[in-house]
Amino acid sequence: EIVLTQSPATLSLSPGERATLSCRASQSVSSYLAWYQQKPGQAPRLLIYDASNRATGIPARFSGSGSGTDFTLTISSLEPEDFAVYYCQQRSSWVTFGQGTRLEIK
Amino acid sequence: QVHLQESGPGLVKPSQTLSLTCTVSGDSITSGSYLWTWIRQHPGKGLEWIGYISSTGSTYYDPSLKSQFAISVDTSKNQFSLKLSSVTAADTAVYYCTRVRHTSVGGGFDYWGQGTLVTVSS
Repeated sequence: EIVLTQSPATLSLSPGERATLSCRASQSVSSYLAWYQQKPGQAPRLLIYDASNRATGIPARFSGSGSGTDFTLTISSLEPEDFAVYYCQQRSSWVTFGQGTRLEIK
Repeated sequence: QVHLQESGPGLVKPSQTLSLTCTVSGDSITSGSYLWTWIRQHPGKGLEWIGYISSTGSTYYDPSLKSQFAISVDTSKNQFSLKLSSVTAADTAVYYCTRVRHTSVGGGFDYWGQGTLVTVSS
């Protein structure tokens, strides 16, 4: 099983700041990595697929990078609606999710 | 616009079988382009992939989970279903249905149902 480890567990930032979230895979997943945003009481929303492709309707402030085992989700300038939990997910070998990063308002 | 909607009982007794259905609109399950998926989330926890099914009925399950899950598809109703036998309190979770492209290893789960909370309790 490919284990995805996200860091940090919690990130405290202010609106307007830049957020950098990390996801590390226990073995290479090539570029088959996706990122999701989840708000309380809601289903996850796909943000990024194949490491760096924005899903339909996702604002340009969200970007993804990386390949192999190390991946990053960057939010260039935080909006109030961006404070949520973020998950990474791979489908290179079965499907696994990271444990999540909580992005909270400082 | 693609829409997925879960349905099923919100409360199930221990040792019974849980049955959930996902109704898909705005896309045809028979298109063959997607794998129709169940994911669950225990209260306050992360996301756990259960498995998925193709339009032809091929199923794939998380090998780390016990084999009490069964996913099936009803193409005539454009629905797919999840059965979980011998439930315990550990199966209390929000269950989501979603889809992912079948035509490549990549992509992501792009459309989701709103989720249904299943509580296992006597």
